[in-house]
Amino acid sequence: KNQVEQSPQSLIILEGKNCTLQCNYTVSPFSNLRWYKQDTGRGPVSLTIMTFSENTKSNGRYTATLDADTKQSSLHITASQLSDSASYICVVSASATNKLIFGTGTLLAVQP
Amino acid sequence: NAGVMQNPRHLVRRRGQEARLRCSPMKGHSHVYWYRQLPEEGLKFMVYLQKENIIDESGMPKERFSAEFPKEGPSILRIQQVVRGDSAAYFCASSPPMGPVVGEAFFGQGTRLTVV
Repeated sequence: KNQVEQSPQSLIILEGKNCTLQCNYTVSPFSNLRWYKQDTGRGPVSLTIMTFSENTKSNGRYTATLDADTKQSSLHITASQLSDSASYICVVSASATNKLIFGTGTLLAVQP
Repeated sequence: NAGVMQNPRHLVRRRGQEARLRCSPMKGHSHVYWYRQLPEEGLKFMVYLQKENIIDESGMPKERFSAEFPKEGPSILRIQQVVRGDSAAYFCASSPPMGPVVGEAFFGQGTRLTVV
């Protein structure tokens, strides 16, 4: 069964600190993995997208890693800001179907 | 190039009424996806459409729900005889035809349906 699991479910950090979010997936055949940020009441916005051959990709203070052998990904946020408070969703695309399999997300709260 | 446009942003319906949710994909995008997000839960896939074709509707409830993406005009998600359990945020995403990056999808702001 195609599944995407994320941890932790929620996280509270102080402004300026770093954090790492985890994603494990069992989607097969794998096409790509992306991380989305969803602010409360808004649609998800793509942060990074990685294919099978990529193992790291950065977007400003966001750095995503991918280990296709262990089927794990992480999203590292550096020097967090209050505006980083959101739900971060790991999404995996299955080859040939264009179907996106969503994790339930990690709810991040950055406190001053 | 406007993003994915969904309307209305908020929709209130009484039990038993019909709800029609519209999604205009980004220019040049021919793939549309509908997702439902219940409170405190993640997005759940409902249906994947291309122009005039339903490609995958494995996430659609068997009854009362239907979707279309006509040759002209927006994609429509229709919910007949709504019940309180249909209250949720419904998100639409669109992506271009298959290219170097498969499945790059952009989301709209969602329609929040409340059934009273």
